[in-house]
Amino acid sequence: DAGVIQSPRHEVTEMGQEVTLRCKPISGHNSLFWYRQTMMRGLELLIYFNNNVPIDDSGMPEDRFSAKMPNASFSTLKIQPSEPRDSAVYFCASSLAAGGQPQHFGDGTRLSIL
Amino acid sequence: AQSVTQPDIHITVSEGASLELRCNYSYGATPYLFWYVQSPGQGLQLLLKYFSGDTLVQGIKGFEAEFKRSQSSFNLRKPSVHWSDAAEYFCAVVTLTGGGNKLTFGTGTQLKVEL
Repeated sequence: DAGVIQSPRHEVTEMGQEVTLRCKPISGHNSLFWYRQTMMRGLELLIYFNNNVPIDDSGMPEDRFSAKMPNASFSTLKIQPSEPRDSAVYFCASSLAAGGQPQHFGDGTRLSIL
Repeated sequence: AQSVTQPDIHITVSEGASLELRCNYSYGATPYLFWYVQSPGQGLQLLLKYFSGDTLVQGIKGFEAEFKRSQSSFNLRKPSVHWSDAAEYFCAVVTLTGGGNKLTFGTGTQLKVEL
């Protein structure tokens, strides 16, 4: 079975450029989560969707960050303009929304902003 | 608010030795608890979960965890560690919201295995 698929796996770009991270959740899962992981701050929840609707975006650091989920099988996280402090590993996870179901994680996108 | 504490940032054990990773949670009701493992360059993989019922739960890779309500703990154990178990381990508790399940993670415990 296909797990959560994220692309690209690695992204290196210059400060000021737009960055788009992509995620395909597990088929049938109706909750999707975006996380950021850094050495300093650990694993942070940025935003999550339920049935394609954003439920909680309180973790999104600034207006430079935006996330969309146009359909049940695709989501994007966009950073515009990017800054060096955005360098991190970004994970997408999906789950069933029913009580207490575990989240399944993708392998992440390692983002480096120069 | 729900929270998870993993008091040990780093742990080193010898291969073949037993392992226990500590996790304490703060949650008003019966919690949904998880342990995840993260190998370098990988995402988080679910090891095991506790919802209710038997307080000793078995997971993958020979891991088990015991839920102790009186101690607000959910410690992860393995009787004999293998070198491939070296990784970072995260404990997490679910917050049930009207719109889905939100995970609160601990800060993780980095496990090093000495050969």
